[in-house]
Amino acid sequence: QKEVEQDPGPLSVPEGAIVSLNCTYSNSAFQYFMWYRQYSRKGPELLMYTYSSGNKEDGRFTAQVDKSSKYISLFIRDSQPSDSATYLCAMRGGSSASKIIFGSGTRLSIRP
Amino acid sequence: EAGVAQSPRYKIIEKRQSVAFWCNPISGHATLYWYQQILGQGPKLLIQFQNNGVVDDSQLPKDRFSAERLKGVDSTLKIQPAKLEDSAVYLCASSSGVQETQYFGPGTRLLVL
Repeated sequence: QKEVEQDPGPLSVPEGAIVSLNCTYSNSAFQYFMWYRQYSRKGPELLMYTYSSGNKEDGRFTAQVDKSSKYISLFIRDSQPSDSATYLCAMRGGSSASKIIFGSGTRLSIRP
Repeated sequence: EAGVAQSPRYKIIEKRQSVAFWCNPISGHATLYWYQQILGQGPKLLIQFQNNGVVDDSQLPKDRFSAERLKGVDSTLKIQPAKLEDSAVYLCASSSGVQETQYFGPGTRLLVL
């Protein structure tokens, strides 16, 4: 079993829709949770960063972490064609020696 | 502020040949990472440097991969000899500290024939 599981998609939604992206994980030591966005032929860029359980909102983006269920989500409101990209969840433990473990990414397409 | 620079952007080689990738991190970033991203997968850490010292190389296939970061700035990742399964995008990232935000370069896309 992979440490981090993510549905690869592709996911296609109309412009303006609410998008929900999810990941599950198995390692209870993970404490920091991230979402990266990766455009085609580009490197990943950090979108959201949360610590432990709870919600965090930044503009049209909301990240949720449920440590009891080992489940994290990213919601995108009022989706735009420019949001079309691959979204990678990522997480790591609390020690300074912990490396980031990435999910395999979900490919998202927003139809105009 | 200039981002992480990588070269070349694309490379095609035959198996058993050698190849080298170069990375120039963001100025002042002490921590540098090399990741391998196989098509359809997330990035996997190969090696992490803190200044010019290795912090983590547990997932680096040391029989064929090597990396160095001379003078704690630029870094080079080498594969010798390459195998078909090394076809991937090699991403370099840097951060100001071990637990700080990582900034990724555009990657080098390697195809081994």
